[in-house]
Amino acid sequence: GAGVSQSPSNKVTEKGKDVELRCDPISGHTALYWYRQRLGQGLEFLIYFQGNSAPDKSGLPSDRFSAERTGESVSTLTIQRTQQEDSAVYLCASSLAWGPSNEQFFGPGTRLTVL
Amino acid sequence: GNSVTQMEGPVTLSEEAFLTINCTYTATGYPSLFWYVQYPGEGLQLLLKATKADDKGSNKGFEATYRKETTSFHLEKGSVQVSDSAVYFCALRPNTGNQFYFGTGTSLTVIP
Repeated sequence: GAGVSQSPSNKVTEKGKDVELRCDPISGHTALYWYRQRLGQGLEFLIYFQGNSAPDKSGLPSDRFSAERTGESVSTLTIQRTQQEDSAVYLCASSLAWGPSNEQFFGPGTRLTVL
Repeated sequence: GNSVTQMEGPVTLSEEAFLTINCTYTATGYPSLFWYVQYPGEGLQLLLKATKADDKGSNKGFEATYRKETTSFHLEKGSVQVSDSAVYFCALRPNTGNQFYFGTGTSLTVIP
């Protein structure tokens, strides 16, 4: 079946503009995760959803970042008033919710460049 | 709390050398443990996993054994190839909840 998809694959924006990043998880995966990966760095956890609710928003770096999920499916990560330090690859992953042995499946990422 | 500590990189090896990338963890209960790999220009993909103590995960010649007594999950390969050049991430998933915890990643370069 289809894997996790993300759009756009690349986004170049000007400082101060808002951007929306989209993630379509694998069908039936109720857990969805957002990470940020700066160039040459590890994964920085941002937020995860269980269904449409977000039990853990602790990783969101500032109030400029927000995320929502609808229909236990697609999720949108919004960054308002983008800054240059927001430039990174934003990764989405999904997982079956129940069962600790269930791994995450990652999308290809959205590369965000803020000029 | 839950956390993963991974061997610092970068690691450079000659082809056919033996590889070990160390990973230790802190967790409550009995987590599942994972190794993910990120090849240049690609997304993360699962390499192997182990779900209980003494389990050995294996794939593509890589192995890792879940050692509860040492809280470790070291990645090993007996003979690396140039195509193994990638960044490797160790991760855990606690036995409750849906959160995952990743290490910082170890970059491996294999030279001919």
